[in-house]
Amino acid sequence: QKEVEQDPGPLSVPEGAIVSLNCTYSNSAFQYFMWYRQYSRKGPELLMYTYSSGNKEDGRFTAQVDKSSKYISLFIRDSQPSDSATYLCAMYVGAGNMLTFGGGTRLMVKP
Amino acid sequence: GAVVSQHPSWVICKSGTSVKIECRSLDFQATTMFWYRQFPKQSLMLMATSNEGSKATYEQGVEKDKFLINHASLTLSTLTVTSAHPEDSSFYICSASPGGGNSPLHFGNGTRLTVT
Repeated sequence: QKEVEQDPGPLSVPEGAIVSLNCTYSNSAFQYFMWYRQYSRKGPELLMYTYSSGNKEDGRFTAQVDKSSKYISLFIRDSQPSDSATYLCAMYVGAGNMLTFGGGTRLMVKP
Repeated sequence: GAVVSQHPSWVICKSGTSVKIECRSLDFQATTMFWYRQFPKQSLMLMATSNEGSKATYEQGVEKDKFLINHASLTLSTLTVTSAHPEDSSFYICSASPGGGNSPLHFGNGTRLTVT
């Protein structure tokens, strides 16, 4: 079993839809959680960074962390074709610890 | 802020030659940088941790003599793929954290290496 599980997709939605992307993890020591967006042939771009449980909102993006369930989510409101990319969740325990990635979910937003 | 620049963005080389990839932190200093490798439709795989002024730390299964890492300054790390073979063809990405500690990693735009 992988330490961080993420459905690879592809997830196809119509423009304007609300998108929900999720990751589950097994290591209860993870405290820092990130979501990255990666376009084809580009490096990952940091979207959201959260610590411990709770919600964080930034524009059309909302990140949720539920440490009791070992489950994190990224919501995208009013999705746009330009949101089409692979979304990677990542997490780590604390300073000096390695980042553990999910496998990524490929999202396609159709006009 | 927190820009990581990687060069070149793509390179084609012949088998047996060496290729150098540069990773620069443009607006912050990074004592530690990380090198990842990514195969098509797969997630990132950590290859090594580059430490300024000291030897790099390689992940299990990564040949240190093949993937030479030099971190000569607080803003520059280089990865040299020596005696490249077609199986080394991949997408190489570097990353660094501006604040160290618990700051998130920022990634370069990657280098696509094709070995013919």
